[in-house]
Amino acid sequence: DAGVTQSPTHLIKTRGQQVTLRCSPKSGHDTVSWYQQALGQGPQFIFQYYEEEERQRGNFPDRFSGHQFPNYSSELNVNALLLGDSALYLCASSAPGPGTGELFFGEGSRLTVL
Amino acid sequence: RKEVEQDPGPFNVPEGATVAFNCTYSNSASQSFFWYRQDCRKEPKLLMSVYSSGNEDGRFTAQLNRASQYISLLIRDSKLSDSATYLCVVNYGQNFVFGPGTRLSVLP
Repeated sequence: DAGVTQSPTHLIKTRGQQVTLRCSPKSGHDTVSWYQQALGQGPQFIFQYYEEEERQRGNFPDRFSGHQFPNYSSELNVNALLLGDSALYLCASSAPGPGTGELFFGEGSRLTVL
Repeated sequence: RKEVEQDPGPFNVPEGATVAFNCTYSNSASQSFFWYRQDCRKEPKLLMSVYSSGNEDGRFTAQLNRASQYISLLIRDSKLSDSATYLCVVNYGQNFVFGPGTRLSVLP
């Protein structure tokens, strides 16, 4: 049973560029959440997708957008990259049902913006 | 005020020590509470859920005080392998809010 998988694992971009990160949830999970984790900080909630719709959104600008596909996989897009966007981007999936409690994380995509 | 706050750390303790982490949350509508563990440069993983009655899992004990909006984690007889960052997580609805984490280093 594959867990949450993310790609790419590492990438380097320059300011102003755009990036797309990808996530496949754990088998049987229908909800995908994205988090940004800066060095030395806890994960910060970006948004959550359920049934191909953005269900909740954290305090992130519109430069951050996403998508969920019919197979529940998801993408995170960041436009007009800033130096401050350098972070570990974590995807987490959870099982159907309200607040079941456990988020399963992928290993993350480490983005460096130069 | 941040939604979830934790002891700033880091905590450096010798093997065998008992260490306690504290966490406070601001949203009284919070429904569920958890401790996650994150090893260096790895993803967070669920350590344990936290229940109002308190719960124990081996050397780990978690407590919740809803009136004070306070959560704790106690680690007894700490091992070298306990070295990690411990994240307090609060949930309401589908929203999981993470604290900044407290880093623990267990020293030989």
